[in-house]
Amino acid sequence: AQSVTQPDIHITVSEGASLELRCNYSYGATPYLFWYVQSPGQGLQLLLKYFSGDTLVQGIKGFEAEFKRSQSSFNLRKPSVHWSDAAEYFCAVRAAGNKLTFGGGTRVLVKP
Amino acid sequence: GAVVSQHPSRVICKSGTSVKIECRSLDFQATTMFWYRQFPKQSLMLMATSNEGSKATYEQGVEKDKFLINHASLTLSTLTVTSAHPEDSSFYICSASGGAYNEQFFGPGTRLTVL
Repeated sequence: AQSVTQPDIHITVSEGASLELRCNYSYGATPYLFWYVQSPGQGLQLLLKYFSGDTLVQGIKGFEAEFKRSQSSFNLRKPSVHWSDAAEYFCAVRAAGNKLTFGGGTRVLVKP
Repeated sequence: GAVVSQHPSRVICKSGTSVKIECRSLDFQATTMFWYRQFPKQSLMLMATSNEGSKATYEQGVEKDKFLINHASLTLSTLTVTSAHPEDSSFYICSASGGAYNEQFFGPGTRLTVL
């Protein structure tokens, strides 16, 4: 069965600093991978997705992610964090039947 | 992207009552809708998958008689929490996919509090 691991439960970063969120997946076939962001009490917003092709994927809000098959990873990055980036971030892998399996999430805190 | 709405956004009910939550795809036909549950500071757990016009498929451990799902049209799915108890208090999120979209679009969620 597929699974997603986000090793970091919390990350604190200073505004303007770079951010990297880790995601490791386990899936037998070619994965379809997603990163979502969730603000408190809100639904999920898609940041970016990887289906195939270029392994470096650009998303909204200045985020990017790199798919590394050899490491079973799909880490999310942003060069310069803004205070509005404080939120919960979820990595997900899509399995058969279009079902998503989510990682445990990483809460990002932004220091002024 | 496509837009998915949920109603209500918040609901408080007494123990033993039933609560219905609606999920609508506003600008596309959703052949498949998903219902998730999220406890505080935790990830989303898939409860069930519903395809328009057929019975929902529930994930292991989810009581289908307690969480009734109806997907009668291509734009509407409902989740009814029957005989709600305080342990059912949670954040319920739906998502929808279909048509030209091969990804899920999420609703804003419904906060259920059972007293």
